[in-house]
Amino acid sequence: QKEVEQNSGPLSVPEGAIASLNCTYSDRGSQSFFWYRQYSGKSPELIMFIYSNGDKEDGRFTAQLNKASQYVSLLIRDSQPSDSATYLCAVKRRSGGSYIPTFGRGTSLIVHP
Amino acid sequence: GAVVSQHPSRVICKSGTSVKIECRSLDFQATTMFWYRQFPKQSLMLMATSNEGSKATYEQGVEKDKFLINHASLTLSTLTVTSAHPEDSSFYICSATFTASGSYEQYFGPGTRLTVT
Repeated sequence: QKEVEQNSGPLSVPEGAIASLNCTYSDRGSQSFFWYRQYSGKSPELIMFIYSNGDKEDGRFTAQLNKASQYVSLLIRDSQPSDSATYLCAVKRRSGGSYIPTFGRGTSLIVHP
Repeated sequence: GAVVSQHPSRVICKSGTSVKIECRSLDFQATTMFWYRQFPKQSLMLMATSNEGSKATYEQGVEKDKFLINHASLTLSTLTVTSAHPEDSSFYICSATFTASGSYEQYFGPGTRLTVT
């Protein structure tokens, strides 16, 4: 069973703080890692992807990957109330000609003013 | 980012009828399309993976005769819920992926909310 684990939360942070979202995965063959944001009643939207160990920064977002520990995280700096949403971690492994995604259950983030 | 559309966005149907949902990649050719179902406050559940011109690969527990998937072209996939029942009421989301510089980002459609009465 290929699993992606996330703490369901909610994670509550004050406006302006750093929100740290974590994800662990069980399949060592996983090759690519994605973070999606999903607002209530909407479909997920891609925030970031990361393939290599280390950090990847994009604006207020930083994705961190540690393949040895099978751990991927997302940091949101200067959190805003509009960042309040569910954040989904997705891990992909190659199967034949396709990359098969496995999603975590998501972490609910609440940024309060 | 790439654009994926879904139609209809919302549908209400009577128990026993069939409903077809379309998923289109608007500005790219999708090598693979995925169909998900999401119940309230639950995670995305992958139903099936489809590649253009070949049969869909269904996840364990998903009835292939009930959820018919047709991936007729590189820009269109359809999901037909046959003989729908109230327990099929859910949020159905498609996504498409394509190769670009070796990456395999997955882009989601806006979803279709199905209510079976």
